[in-house]
Amino acid sequence: GENVEQHPSTLSVQEGDSAVIKCTYSDSASNYFPWYKQELGKGPQLIIDIRSNVGEKKDQRIAVTLNKTAKHFSLHITETQPEDSAVYFCAVSYSGGGADGLTFGKGTHLIIQP
Amino acid sequence: NAGVMQNPRHLVRRRGQEARLRCSPMKGHSHVYWYRQLPEEGLKFMVYLQKENIIDESGMPKERFSAEFPKEGPSILRIQQVVRGDSAAYFCASSPQVRETQYFGPGTRLLVL
Repeated sequence: GENVEQHPSTLSVQEGDSAVIKCTYSDSASNYFPWYKQELGKGPQLIIDIRSNVGEKKDQRIAVTLNKTAKHFSLHITETQPEDSAVYFCAVSYSGGGADGLTFGKGTHLIIQP
Repeated sequence: NAGVMQNPRHLVRRRGQEARLRCSPMKGHSHVYWYRQLPEEGLKFMVYLQKENIIDESGMPKERFSAEFPKEGPSILRIQQVVRGDSAAYFCASSPQVRETQYFGPGTRLLVL
């Protein structure tokens, strides 16, 4: 089955700096790559997603890049703010059959230092 | 438009009891997914359902766990004879079509004593 590796497990950055979280996946047939933000005691919230026919997508301070050849994708957050502190999960989905659920990475705890 | 709703938010059960977790998808969504999250872990897919049908249960433990999504009412995840290892957060997600964006509920935190 699909395997997703996420790094780093913890990331501490100064407020205003940029944060980058990386994920790699194993199944080259995977074609949908969402990122979720989870705050303490809450459910995951979709923040951005990308499909395999696109290399990069941006939404204000958040961007995702995808390298299908290398099978990795990254989340970029610029001008970080205290409210960005949370756990971020990457996920992968394959629409060619088999399991229909998302496969998640283990998460990155992002800490924004004031 | 209300989001995905789950209840109860917290559930405490003693070993051997049954746990029933409910999920109401977003309006207009007919696809429901259940995930389990252990402490300090990512979410693990359990089961995918459409109305009255289980489509994919490849992540569901073979014993004690079952899920349904009846024609009327919420989706139910049922855990029989709970054990301490079942303690986790259980999340439900819904989507308007298969393999489209999944929107998650707030979760049910199950504690087995």
